Amino acid sequence: AQTVTQSQPEMSVQEAETVTLSCTYDTSESDYYLFWYKQPPSRQMILVIRQEAYKQQNATENRFSVNFQKAAKSFSLKISDSQLGDAAMYFCAYRSAGGSEKLVFGKGTKLTVNP
Amino acid sequence: SQTIHQWPATLVQPVGSPLSLECTVEGTSNPNLYWYRQAAGRGLQLLFYSVGIGQISSEVPQNLSASRPQDRQFILSSKKLLLSDSGFYLCAWSRVPLVLSFGSGTRLTVV
Repeated sequence: AQTVTQSQPEMSVQEAETVTLSCTYDTSESDYYLFWYKQPPSRQMILVIRQEAYKQQNATENRFSVNFQKAAKSFSLKISDSQLGDAAMYFCAYRSAGGSEKLVFGKGTKLTVNP
Repeated sequence: SQTIHQWPATLVQPVGSPLSLECTVEGTSNPNLYWYRQAAGRGLQLLFYSVGIGQISSEVPQNLSASRPQDRQFILSSKKLLLSDSGFYLCAWSRVPLVLSFGSGTRLTVV
């Protein structure tokens, strides 16, 4: 079974600085998808970025980018120019490309942005 | 645009009482629907998903059940709640594969 590990329960960053959130996963599959979701205090989950495993190029969405290392099974999220609104729980998630509807989530990292 | 409604936002129920949480989606047809649970200090766990009316797949055997009586309605139920059923329940939908959109969640406390 696939597992997703986020080794940093909490992280903090100064406003306008850059922070990297770590995620590793375990799978025997070669084709899959990886996601980062953000959960602000409102508790609604918001998709931040996604990566297809067959793509070597790292995904980027404005200030958010990932460092996808397939061989190392690592999928870190970098937030540049951090803003107060980035404060939230961040969840890394894995989905098989084989038709399963199941998203496997990590336990999350709580990000605090200091003014 | 598509929206997802989930209610109630918070719920306190005694042990042994029944449960019914409702989720509806607007602005789309034939969505895939999901129920997730988020326990304190843990990630999200998929409970049920549905690809069509009356079609329910269960991911985790438990005290809960799900039903989809209409295309855009997904209901999470229990006949008798346990203390361990406490948590944050999130409904989600997808129309485009891989892209999940979540509702605002229900905080359930079983006392």
